[in-house]
Amino acid sequence: IAGITQAPTSQILAAGRRMTLRCTQDMRHNAMYWYRQDLGLGLRLIHYSNTAGTTGKGEVPDGYSVSRANTDDFPLTLASAVPSQTSVYFCASSSGTSETDTQYFGPGTRLTVL
Amino acid sequence: GQNIDQPTEMTATEGAIVQINCTYQTSGFNGLFWYQQHAGEAPTFLSYNVLDGLEEKGRFSSFLSRSKGYSYLLLKELQMKDSASYLCAVRDSNYQLIWGAGTKLIIKP
Repeated sequence: IAGITQAPTSQILAAGRRMTLRCTQDMRHNAMYWYRQDLGLGLRLIHYSNTAGTTGKGEVPDGYSVSRANTDDFPLTLASAVPSQTSVYFCASSSGTSETDTQYFGPGTRLTVL
Repeated sequence: GQNIDQPTEMTATEGAIVQINCTYQTSGFNGLFWYQQHAGEAPTFLSYNVLDGLEEKGRFSSFLSRSKGYSYLLLKELQMKDSASYLCAVRDSNYQLIWGAGTKLIIKP
């Protein structure tokens, strides 16, 4: 089934630990994105990648890093987690070529940092 | 700064019509999106407007006025399954999506 998968579904993490959230898409989309969603706030862009081998910073990049070694995978790493990174994280992808360029979302990862 | 405003919550009755408004102030405009998000799930795409006017898609319609920085999503013949949050997003001059906080729509029988 075509789409985007994320892992893990949820995670409880001690502050200071390193964590990688995984995202894989099989739609051969060029562009991929990482957002966080917090209660009362809109989705906020953390990092994005317009094509394999390139990445860019979004609105809230501090404390996060990404890599895009190939088209399908776009992992998000928290080098040293802090409680303010408790959030729901969504990965998304888009073709990067159409005029609409609709973004399609994965199911999300619920992360709690204690 | 960039800003997307939507009502926090709305309540409507099954079978009725509801209009969810969105106003925006962004650096540039390259299209406006509406997404639906059920509790605990991912956002799913509903509609896209880049030119002024109304786009109709079944029970859902979306309207855009670029000069007023305004859009609305119109939901007709409401069903219980329409209970969800509705997210408005604008693509800015950097081709990034700026998101509103969402409108939680509660449908009552």
